[in-house]
Amino acid sequence: GAVVSQHPSRVICKSGTSVKIECRSLDFQATTMFWYRQFPKQSLMLMATSNEGSKATYEQGVEKDKFLINHASLTLSTLTVTSAHPEDSSFYICSARVGQGPETQYFGPGTRLLVL
Amino acid sequence: SQKIEQNSEALNIQEGKTATLTCNYTNYSPAYLQWYRQDPGRGPVFLLLIRENEKEKRKERLKVTFDTTLKQSLFHITASQPADSATYLCALNTGGFKTIFGAGTRLFVKA
Repeated sequence: GAVVSQHPSRVICKSGTSVKIECRSLDFQATTMFWYRQFPKQSLMLMATSNEGSKATYEQGVEKDKFLINHASLTLSTLTVTSAHPEDSSFYICSARVGQGPETQYFGPGTRLLVL
Repeated sequence: SQKIEQNSEALNIQEGKTATLTCNYTNYSPAYLQWYRQDPGRGPVFLLLIRENEKEKRKERLKVTFDTTLKQSLFHITASQPADSATYLCALNTGGFKTIFGAGTRLFVKA
């Protein structure tokens, strides 16, 4: 099946620094990539949707200047958490979609971010 | 407001029994509904999708039902095994590209 990777898997940073998370579709080209955030024992919350070469569409309440998304190619999307604060500590999961149906959406393994 | 509800309490069952998980939703008219498995510290893995015009879907030991009148889906794992222990997420898609998730139900299968 299709594989989506994320790097890094875990990151610890100091408050005020920026952190970049990469999401790659390894064996397919993704028409659309998604970024989710998941707090402990809570559901995945969609943060933004991005298509290659165009600006990401952010969900209501997600600050686009804080969570910068760059979808540079059909196999790579990056999420940069700028000026991270402890409340940004969470599990960030990307997914990539190859076709029309939701069953063609594949999820990455997630990145655990801890901001001290 | 739109809401997806899954039982937040963990479900503990004995190996070999059938596990049944419930997903209820309000204020949606989903074109399809999906179930995912999520292991601790990992991303979700797609299991099954059922469309609004389907009542039931099966895949090996898994069965999903979808009642659009009750706005409910049931997810069954028959002959459960300890390896089935995980969190199971219900998700809705209204026909666009957005997938909205429930918080999941944790399943523990005891040997």
